[in-house]
Amino acid sequence: GQSLEQPSEVTAVEGAIVQINCTYQTSGFYGLSWYQQHDGGAPTFLSYNALDGLEETGRFSSFLSRSDSYGYLLLQELQMKDSASYFCAVKKTGGYNKLIFGAGTRLAVHP
Amino acid sequence: EAGVVQSPRYKIIEKKQPVAFWCNPISGHNTLYWYLQNLGQGPELLIRYENEEAVDDSQLPKDRFSAERLKGVDSTLKIQPAELGDSAVYLCASSLGGSQETQYFGPGTRLLVL
Repeated sequence: GQSLEQPSEVTAVEGAIVQINCTYQTSGFYGLSWYQQHDGGAPTFLSYNALDGLEETGRFSSFLSRSDSYGYLLLQELQMKDSASYFCAVKKTGGYNKLIFGAGTRLAVHP
Repeated sequence: EAGVVQSPRYKIIEKKQPVAFWCNPISGHNTLYWYLQNLGQGPELLIRYENEEAVDDSQLPKDRFSAERLKGVDSTLKIQPAELGDSAVYLCASSLGGSQETQYFGPGTRLLVL
């Protein structure tokens, strides 16, 4: 089987740093993606890690440890507009770009 | 460049009625995906097309769901007959093709079955 675990909710204040963790269990792991989705909106691609280590894109960074089946999304200098749901998604081998999504973490940023 | 376009954005129907959703992917994207997203959950793949060929439809409930992508561009997902449990958001995504390509999602069709 396969499963992804991420916290259901996270709360933070503007300007702070927040880390959203994702652990996964799956066969045929290829890489880990992160998507952002505002209420009523489309999931939007944020980052992708195929190799161990940290990928940085502006205020957002994503980390992967394949040996620990673990990754995280780091959001810095939080802004109100970052309030959204964040999904980790496993990209599987053999499924040719098949993504398996977690249930999502709802981030609320307060002033 | 236009993103993935879906219509309608919202649909309310009574159970046992048919319903259809339309998706136009990003120009040049060969791969098209239909996902189902229940409230508070992540998207779940229903079907994936490579051009006009359905290459992964293992998660599509074929007794009531069907999809087509006749000319390898836009696609239609149909439910007939709809059930109460089909109430969800139906997302379409597209990618250039290949195992590394990012999937770009449309805004979805929010379906309510009464």
